[in-house]
Amino acid sequence: ETGVTQTPRHLVMGMTNKKSLKCEQHLGHNAMYWYKQSAKKPLELMFVYSLEERVENNSVPSRFSPECPNSSHLFLHLHTLQPEDSALYLCASSQEATSARGQFFGPGTRLTVL
Amino acid sequence: AQKVTQAQTEISVVEKEDVTLDCVYETRDTTYYLFWYKQPPSGELVFLIRRNSFDEQNEISGRYSWNFQKSTSSFNFTITASQVVDSAVYFCALGTDSWGKFQFGAGTQVVVTP
Repeated sequence: ETGVTQTPRHLVMGMTNKKSLKCEQHLGHNAMYWYKQSAKKPLELMFVYSLEERVENNSVPSRFSPECPNSSHLFLHLHTLQPEDSALYLCASSQEATSARGQFFGPGTRLTVL
Repeated sequence: AQKVTQAQTEISVVEKEDVTLDCVYETRDTTYYLFWYKQPPSGELVFLIRRNSFDEQNEISGRYSWNFQKSTSSFNFTITASQVVDSAVYFCALGTDSWGKFQFGAGTQVVVTP
């Protein structure tokens, strides 16, 4: 069984749509993360959750809204996105919200905004 | 400030050749962690290795080997006898004992042709 799963794997949406990305981790970890990976750019950390509490928000626009109902699930709610938001969105988890043990990543959601 | 530099954007080799990926890092922390991840075309980042700042032993795992040199702030990765399945983007990352803040390098695309 894959440790971190993400759905959907691909998403195409218009700028006025509202959609959500889902991430689930089966590793018993306490921290979860959202990253954005755009073409030809480094991975950008968006949000960090530790024990369901948001501990980091890297100046992400409000059109991205995270939700962490429990330590196994993480959502990213999307609304009124722009074409430049098209990217691969990666979810990750780690045992704790420190870097010591590394992060485990899901397969990502490829988002296209028309 | 933390920084990870992967100066090689793309490396192309023929199968069975060795390939070395460079990673140079900057940090003011005395305790830190270095990682390598592989991202195949499917998109998922696969954890390869973690090394902490107090352990300068080189490591070999099958065809993979890592050379950590604190004196030059480098953590290089070598694939011996490359195979087509090694074609991927490889990321070096730096972490510290803070809230899950990884600093990823820009990645190096490795293309292995038969």
